Amino acid sequence: GNSVTQMEGPVTLSEEAFLTINCTYTATGYPSLFWYVQYPGEGLQLLLKATKADDKGSNKGFEATYRKETTSFHLEKGSVQVSDSAVYFCALSSQGDSKLTFGKGITLSVRP
Amino acid sequence: NAGVTQTPKFQVLKTGQSMTLQCAQDMNHEYMSWYRQDPGMGLRLIHYSVGAGITDQGEVPNGYNVSRSTTEDFPLRLLSAAPSQTSVYFCASSSLRTSGKQDTQYFGPGTRLTVL
Repeated sequence: GNSVTQMEGPVTLSEEAFLTINCTYTATGYPSLFWYVQYPGEGLQLLLKATKADDKGSNKGFEATYRKETTSFHLEKGSVQVSDSAVYFCALSSQGDSKLTFGKGITLSVRP
Repeated sequence: NAGVTQTPKFQVLKTGQSMTLQCAQDMNHEYMSWYRQDPGMGLRLIHYSVGAGITDQGEVPNGYNVSRSTTEDFPLRLLSAAPSQTSVYFCASSSLRTSGKQDTQYFGPGTRLTVL
C-alpha cells in the first residue's frame, strides 16, 4: 500500500535560517505529491503540489521537487520567518485514486 | 464562499454517548472525507464519499458511520463513543477530475472531541 515517511521532529530554527524537511514515499505508478501546512488552531491548507516527475511546486517561498528516482519530495525554504511556525504534512494520492495518504507531520518552530 | 464548515468546534462526551459531527461545503465538490488527527500519527482517513449516495471506508472506519444524502453535507456519526475516539476530526472536500483523480483538498477548521 501507499505510505509517506517524514523526518522526525520537532524542528526549531532561527529566523532567516534555511529549512529542509525530508519526505519520501512508497506508491505504485505515478502519484501526485502534496505539502500541507497547519497553523496553530486551524485546519490544513495546501502549501504546494506536484503531479509528475521532475515537477517543482512552489508557494510562499517554499519549494519541493518531485524526484521519482529517489521517491522523494523534500520541502525547502531559503529564509524562514516566525510566521512559518506550523505543522507540515507531506501527502500523496495515487494515480486514479481519490484518497490522500499523509505522513505523520513535523512541527516547525521559528525563533525571532 | 464559506468553503468547508464543521460544527461543533469542541465537544465533550461520556463513554457510550452518541453524537454527529457536521460537515458542509459550498463548492459543489464531489469528493468529501473525514480524517482524525492524533499526536505522532498524522491524519488517518476514516470514511470518504465520491458523490451523493456513495460512501466507502478508509483506514480507520470502526466505530464511525457516514451517509451522503446531498452533495453539500457529509455527517460523521459516533454511535457509542469510546475514549479511543478522543481526537481532532477534520472534514475535507475536493472536486474530481474526469480521470477520477482528485484535485486539491480543502479542509474544515476541525472538531476537537474528548470522550471521558
